[in-house]
Amino acid sequence: SQQGEEDPQALSIQEGENATMNCSYKTSINNLQWYRQNSGRGLVHLILIRSNEREKHSGRLRVTLDTSKKSSSLLITASRAADTASYFCAPGYGNNRLAFGKGNQVVVIP
Amino acid sequence: GEEVAQTPKHLVRGEGQKAKLYCAPIKGHSYVFWYQQVLKNEFKFLISFQNENVFDETGMPKERFSAKCLPNSPCSLEIQATKLEDSAVYFCASSHGSGSNEQFFGPGTRLTVL
Repeated sequence: SQQGEEDPQALSIQEGENATMNCSYKTSINNLQWYRQNSGRGLVHLILIRSNEREKHSGRLRVTLDTSKKSSSLLITASRAADTASYFCAPGYGNNRLAFGKGNQVVVIP
Repeated sequence: GEEVAQTPKHLVRGEGQKAKLYCAPIKGHSYVFWYQQVLKNEFKFLISFQNENVFDETGMPKERFSAKCLPNSPCSLEIQATKLEDSAVYFCASSHGSGSNEQFFGPGTRLTVL
């Protein structure tokens, strides 16, 4: 399967804490993207990391990519209630399609 | 436009009826993608276009589903003779180019088949 698989699938944390999610995939990728989906809404692109990159930052987000282990992690630092959402990783392949996993539900408790 | 637009927001159809969904990609984006999300779970890739041409249709059910992207018109996804299991949110996305480009998603169309 080309899908990403997120872990853990559900995470509940207190506001201010850090949240870490992992994503594994099975075949070689061009890039890996992380998206957020708030309840009932569309996907918002968070960050793209290319296969030759190891780490990338965007605001309170930090993404790592380990192509030898075929895994990626998304870290949200100093979480806020507004970070409550589902987070999807999407390995990208040469055919342009994104192979989303089932998502990771994060609940940040104020 | 600056955002991917999808219409309608909600669509209700009786089983066996036709459903047609529309997507206007971001201006200047040459790739359009359709995904199906059932019950807030994983997204299933359906089809992608490069301009008016089908780029990858390996996710499309062979029967009942069809899609088009014609010049100067919104892209469309049509489902003939809808079934209960077609109930889902259908998302359209567009991207600027091929390969390693982020995809920008529309708000989705929620299709309910009764």
